[in-house]
Amino acid sequence: SQQGEEDPQALSIQEGENATMNCSYKTSINNLQWYRQNSGRGLVHLILIRSNEREKHSGRLRVTLDTSKKSSSLLITASRAADTASYFCATDTGGGADGLTFGKGTHLIIQP
Amino acid sequence: DAGITQSPRHKVTETGTPVTLRCHQTENHRYMYWYRQDPGHGLRLIHYSYGVKDTDKGEVSDGYSVSRSKTEDFLLTLESATSSQTSVYFCAISQGATNEKLFFGSGTQLSVL
Repeated sequence: SQQGEEDPQALSIQEGENATMNCSYKTSINNLQWYRQNSGRGLVHLILIRSNEREKHSGRLRVTLDTSKKSSSLLITASRAADTASYFCATDTGGGADGLTFGKGTHLIIQP
Repeated sequence: DAGITQSPRHKVTETGTPVTLRCHQTENHRYMYWYRQDPGHGLRLIHYSYGVKDTDKGEVSDGYSVSRSKTEDFLLTLESATSSQTSVYFCAISQGATNEKLFFGSGTQLSVL
């Protein structure tokens, strides 16, 4: 079953602009994580935000979490061509055998 | 960073044949996972392991089995491959607690004809 859903499915912006992606989920979570996947590669962990946190920063990344709305956003500031990738949110509901539940991803294209 | 090696990177096989995919890690992480990635479905958990000989089923475990006889190796076996198992398979380890900060291998592209 799909827990996290990213929006938009695809996003194309100019280099230097900011990119915002959103994730909505359905059930209570322990934490929410964002991953990046370059074409033909494995996923790379970007940032983890716990259910009792509202905002986290890591370099050019800013993640927010609103548990009342069951939603999260990922902001990439001052985008670069190297940021072109698919971005996935993943929710951890705390059940080990459930694993992480991944959304279908947002495909981000940074135009030079 | 954790080192994960998946083998083979690509495999083409016929329906009904058994297939084993291997995942090898170099840093003795406790938790290991097998996911499959399909267009329109995102990543889905097949099996995971929380230690040597300790494994559990994930969301899409039917038709798959796993073994972990050593900390560093986690094997995924398709007992009798079907075309619906054509997919990209990713192994991952947790760099934190279970299900936290997963580090993924480069994947195995499996085609079942």
